[in-house]
Amino acid sequence: AQSVTQLDSHVSVSEGTPVLLRCNYSSSYSPSLFWYVQHPNKGLQLLLKYTSAATLVKGINGFEAEFKKSETSFHLTKPSAHMSDAAEYFCVVSDWGNTDKLIFGTGTRLQVFP
Amino acid sequence: DAGVIQSPRHEVTEMGQEVTLRCKPISGHNSLFWYRQTMMRGLELLIYFNNNVPIDDSGMPEDRFSAKMPNASFSTLKIQPSEPRDSAVYFCASRTGTGSHEQYFGPGTRLTVT
Repeated sequence: AQSVTQLDSHVSVSEGTPVLLRCNYSSSYSPSLFWYVQHPNKGLQLLLKYTSAATLVKGINGFEAEFKKSETSFHLTKPSAHMSDAAEYFCVVSDWGNTDKLIFGTGTRLQVFP
Repeated sequence: DAGVIQSPRHEVTEMGQEVTLRCKPISGHNSLFWYRQTMMRGLELLIYFNNNVPIDDSGMPEDRFSAKMPNASFSTLKIQPSEPRDSAVYFCASRTGTGSHEQYFGPGTRLTVT
């Protein structure tokens, strides 16, 4: 069965420094992977998606993620954090047993300090 | 596109009252999902529809919960009678039926049952 593990529940960075949010997945098949962001009191917004094309995926707001099959990882990065990046981030995998469903990680809360 | 529309955005009701949450999916999307988000349990899938037909309602917590999708542009989630433990943020999401797995979320309805 598919699953995702977000390795950090909280990450704190200073504005202007790099962001790394870690995600490992478990899948018997070539997965579809996503990162979603949720700002306080808002819905979830799709940041980027991987669907077996290029392994380096670029998303909105300067974020990108690299699919590494050998490491079963899909870490989210950004070169320089902005105060507006403070939010909850979810790593998500499509359930190949039922592609209608998404499997969500537990989330990583990103804090950005001035 | 206006995105997924949910109403109301906030609902405060007393225990025992009926609550109806509404969702309008993105035009042209064939699948609609209802989720519930709480601090304790995270994001839970309650039910989803493909082409207006309920496919999987295994996440609906009790018979007090019901959902309908009378047409491609409207869905409701009803709780009758409501209980304090139903307090949560309820999200609606929609997705195209053309092989893409990503879902697009609405802003959510924050329900408080007193």
